[in-house]
Amino acid sequence: QITLKESGPTVVKPTQTLTLTCTFSGFSFSTIGVTVGWIRQPPGKALEWLAVIYWDDDKRYTPSLEGRLTITKDTSKNQVVLTVTNMDPVDTATYYCAHRQSGVRVFDIWGQGTMVTVSS
Amino acid sequence: DIQMTQSPSSVSASVGDRVTITCRASQGIGTWLAWYQQKPGQAPKLLIYTASSLQSGVPSRFSGSGSGTDFTLTISNLQPEDFATYHCQQADSFPYSFGQGTKLEIK
Repeated sequence: QITLKESGPTVVKPTQTLTLTCTFSGFSFSTIGVTVGWIRQPPGKALEWLAVIYWDDDKRYTPSLEGRLTITKDTSKNQVVLTVTNMDPVDTATYYCAHRQSGVRVFDIWGQGTMVTVSS
Repeated sequence: DIQMTQSPSSVSASVGDRVTITCRASQGIGTWLAWYQQKPGQAPKLLIYTASSLQSGVPSRFSGSGSGTDFTLTISNLQPEDFATYHCQQADSFPYSFGQGTKLEIK
C-alpha cells in the first residue's frame, strides 16, 4: 500500500525559505519509473503543479517558479524534499506531494497535504 | 504553458441526475488528460487518466471522453458522495497544468 505524508512548518515569514519533506512508503526510488511530485493549492483556488523528481534524479519544475524551487530525494530514507525560496504571502497554500503512476503521467496517490501560511 | 479551462465553474444537480463537465486545452494534448475529484479538506483523488481510462476502484458511473483540445467528464446517476469539486489536468507537456475546478453542488 502506497502512502505519502508531508511535513514542515505551518507558518513562514516573507522572504524566508520553506522546506517541506514528503515521507513515503510502499514504493522505492530504487525501482525504475518511480516519480514523486509536488502540487499546491491556495485557499479556494486551483491546483498548481510545481515539480517532479524521477528515480534517475531527473527533475522538472514549473517555469513560473523556476529559480525558487528545488526538489531532491533521499532514496535511503524514502523522502522527497521541496524547498521554496523567498516566500511571499501569495505562496500561502496547501502543499501536496503525490506518487506519479508509471506510464500514464498522473498522480494516483496523494498525501494529505500540509497548509503553509506566509505571514510576518 | 498549456492553459486548461473548465466549464462550468459550478453546477447544481440532484441525486440520480447525469452531469457533464467540460475541459478545454489551449493546444492539442492528444489524450493526455486526467480528472480528479476533491472533497473539502481532502486531497484530490484520481478518477480518470488518458482521457477515458477509469482508475481502479472508481465506480463505473464516472466516464471520460475526448482528445485533442476538448474533453468531458460525465457522471451518471449522481450519488450523494459525488458532490465535490472536479479538476482536469493535462499531462502532455510540462508543467502539467490543472483546470480551475468545477464545483458540483446539490440542487
